[in-house]
Amino acid sequence: GAGVSQSPSNKVTEKGKDVELRCDPISGHTALYWYRQSLGQGLEFLIYFQGNSAPDKSGLPSDRFSAERTGGSVSTLTIQRTQQEDSAVYLCASSLPYKGYTFGSGTRLTVV
Amino acid sequence: GENVEQHPSTLSVQEGDSAVIKCTYSDSASNYFPWYKQELGKRPQLIIDIRSNVGEKKDQRIAVTLNKTAKHFSLHITETQPEDSAVYFCAASSNNYGQNFVFGPGTRLSVLP
Repeated sequence: GAGVSQSPSNKVTEKGKDVELRCDPISGHTALYWYRQSLGQGLEFLIYFQGNSAPDKSGLPSDRFSAERTGGSVSTLTIQRTQQEDSAVYLCASSLPYKGYTFGSGTRLTVV
Repeated sequence: GENVEQHPSTLSVQEGDSAVIKCTYSDSASNYFPWYKQELGKRPQLIIDIRSNVGEKKDQRIAVTLNKTAKHFSLHITETQPEDSAVYFCAASSNNYGQNFVFGPGTRLSVLP
């Protein structure tokens, strides 16, 4: 596609429920990333996928968070047993070598 | 691992003046340095980048300089305009693909009319 597509754009969920966030990267981009951004804050790294290599999961804040990337394309970030502190904008990005990231428009997650 | 610091955290300038944001990095192997602009409520967007074999790069009113010896790089915006008001993030990459950046904490720039 022309850009990085994320869905849903907004998600309100009850505390304790599981959520799935989807990212469709730019076709041909070998790398895919998930970041989290709380209101007025910086970009918190979550996970990095590069081709067929094992993902760098070092930024995942707890074992309630997991992500997968199927067929080297679409990625899903899953948050189990959501907590209020999980409320944030979740940004996905994809890139080619030395070309910078293209970010999606994000999913705003609100846990009530 | 890499660590990126960014200063100042907030910056206010008068319209027409110049703005400079500075970043330092810790990993001497870092070889790619992009800058992102994030307007309120929008996604970060790449505005300029520089590779380690270049000392300076310009694009209209914005420029980036890199000092590999001192391990710092800076964003320069000249003739600032109100639409330059945003949060700016610097980043550094030390991996083999120029990817998997470490971002700085951001600088909130306000251009006052």
